[in-house]
Amino acid sequence: DAGVIQSPRHEVTEMGQEVTLRCKPISGHNSLFWYRQTMMRGLELLIYFNNNVPIDDSGMPEDRFSAKMPNASFSTLKIQPSEPRDSAVYFCASSPRGTAGGQFFGPGTRLTVL
Amino acid sequence: GDSVTQMEGPVTLSEEAFLTINCTYTATGYPSLFWYVQYPGEGLQLLLKATKADDKGSNKGFEATYRKETTSFHLEKGSVQVSDSAVYFCLHEGPDSWGKLQFGAGTQVVVTP
Repeated sequence: DAGVIQSPRHEVTEMGQEVTLRCKPISGHNSLFWYRQTMMRGLELLIYFNNNVPIDDSGMPEDRFSAKMPNASFSTLKIQPSEPRDSAVYFCASSPRGTAGGQFFGPGTRLTVL
Repeated sequence: GDSVTQMEGPVTLSEEAFLTINCTYTATGYPSLFWYVQYPGEGLQLLLKATKADDKGSNKGFEATYRKETTSFHLEKGSVQVSDSAVYFCLHEGPDSWGKLQFGAGTQVVVTP
């Protein structure tokens, strides 16, 4: 199994630009999670989906952030417009619900907003 | 509400020393418990897990026992290596949480030669 795939691995952009992060979960997993990790705030859960439906987006910092999961094998996290304080590593994780198997994390996308 | 508390880092120790990272949790019901490890520049990896009371999870020389009476899941390793330097996260997953994990803050471990 290829594991959770995220792209791009690194993204450098200028303030005000739109940023789209992509995630492909492990096949057969029906829960998907987006996290943000910074030195100041640690690891934060932004949003998660179950069977492609958003369950809890209370961690999304503000309206500039949006996430979609159009099908079971793909999800996006979009920031528009981006700001320097959005600089962080963004992780996607997937989980096979019901098995207490924990979550499987992707390698992350390191975002730098100048 | 549900939460996880783990000891603050950084924890610095010499190679071959004994490592303990304390973790306690509060939760409704009987959650599954996990330890994840994050090596520098990488994502989180599942290290070990326990799904019911008195279960012992083990992997790569690390162990943790699910103690319901003390609501704890302390991580231990008898002889650490430099390659164990990483950040360790204690987490729990409630039975009806859609797979959502409750995270501890993470404990950085630094092992020196």
